[in-house]
Amino acid sequence: GAGVSQTPSNKVTEKGKYVELRCDPISGHTALYWYRQSLGQGPEFLIYFQGTGAADDSGLPNDRFFAVRPEGSVSTLKIQRTERGDSAVYLCASSLLAASTDTQYFGPGTRLTVL
Amino acid sequence: AQSVAQPEDQVNVAEGNPLTVKCTYSVSGNPYLFWYVQYPNRGLQFLLKYITGDNLVKGSYGFEAEFNKSQTSFHLKKPSALVSDSALYFCAVRDRNTDKLIFGTGTRLQVFP
Repeated sequence: GAGVSQTPSNKVTEKGKYVELRCDPISGHTALYWYRQSLGQGPEFLIYFQGTGAADDSGLPNDRFFAVRPEGSVSTLKIQRTERGDSAVYLCASSLLAASTDTQYFGPGTRLTVL
Repeated sequence: AQSVAQPEDQVNVAEGNPLTVKCTYSVSGNPYLFWYVQYPNRGLQFLLKYITGDNLVKGSYGFEAEFNKSQTSFHLKKPSALVSDSALYFCAVRDRNTDKLIFGTGTRLQVFP
């Protein structure tokens, strides 16, 4: 079946601009996660949704970052007033449930470059 | 606080030889441990996980990992390496109180023909 998909695959923007990154999880998966991977590092947690609500947003670095999942499926990560330090690969993952034993399946990521 | 350490930035092995990629962890309760592989310009692919039970876990592509509670380790192994195994490998940990994965910094595996 179809895996997690993310669009766009690459996004280049200028400092100060607004960007939206989209994630389409595996059908039927109730939990959705956003991670950020900087060069040479492992992914770092940003936010987690259970259904439509953000159950844990403790990883969002500041209030320029926001994410929604209005219908409990597709999610959008929104970054306002982008900064060069926001450049990274943004990864989305989904799991069937939110149990800590569940496997998270990752999408291919969106590479964000802020000039 | 939870953490994962992957002490080797890179592991080099000849094709056909056994490989080991090391991982140690720190959690307050019982750990749930995962291995993922990342090929260039692609997302993370799940290899295997340890939740409970047998300490030797078998996963995709012939990989296995051994959970060692006393040494707080979860090393990834394969009896015979392939050139196509060359990639970046990440170890990750969760416990029952956590919804997020905590990742190590990754180990680049290079298999030479």
